[in-house]
Amino acid sequence: KNQVEQSPQSLIILEGKNCTLQCNYTVSPFSNLRWYKQDTGRGPVSLTIMTFSENTKSNGRYTATLDADTKQSSLHITASQLSDSASYICVVSEAGTASKLTFGTGTRLQVTL
Amino acid sequence: NAGVTQTPKFRILKIGQSMTLQCAQDMNHNYMYWYRQDPGMGLKLIYYSVGAGITDKGEVPNGYNVSRSTTEDFPLRLELAAPSQTSVYFCASSRTSGGELTGELFFGEGSRLTVL
Repeated sequence: KNQVEQSPQSLIILEGKNCTLQCNYTVSPFSNLRWYKQDTGRGPVSLTIMTFSENTKSNGRYTATLDADTKQSSLHITASQLSDSASYICVVSEAGTASKLTFGTGTRLQVTL
Repeated sequence: NAGVTQTPKFRILKIGQSMTLQCAQDMNHNYMYWYRQDPGMGLKLIYYSVGAGITDKGEVPNGYNVSRSTTEDFPLRLELAAPSQTSVYFCASSRTSGGELTGELFFGEGSRLTVL
């Protein structure tokens, strides 16, 4: 069964600090992996997409990595801001069908003063 | 551009009642989805549609029905509401390329449903 596991489940950091969120998956065949940010009470919004051939991709202070061999991805947040407080969800797409998305349970990040 | 619009945002139902969650998108996306999100759980796919007139079951379809008469609208019908259907429901849409979900999912703001 396809699975996506994220760690840690929750994280509290001080404003200005960096953090890294992890995503391990067993989805096969692999198509792509997306990181979504979900603010409280809102729908998820895509941050970045990683395809099989990509190792690193940045979107402002967010940097995602992908190791397709070990089936691991990470999301690194640099110089955190209060507005980064949200849940971060890893979503892996199975190749060949539009319905085959497997969602992780998310990492709840809280940035404090 | 409104994106994906869901109504209502909040609703309380009594056991056995029925209701429809509305979803509309104005991006001309061919794919649309309904997910439910329970506390501490990942989003679970209820139903999806690859175009007008075509719908298919997802992972957790029991107790729900959908229709897709137009590209824009994808309502979710709950018949005989049960406490187990208490959840936050998200509608999403996407444009695919080459038959694969390479496009991102655009989500609505969610509909919080409580069944008492």
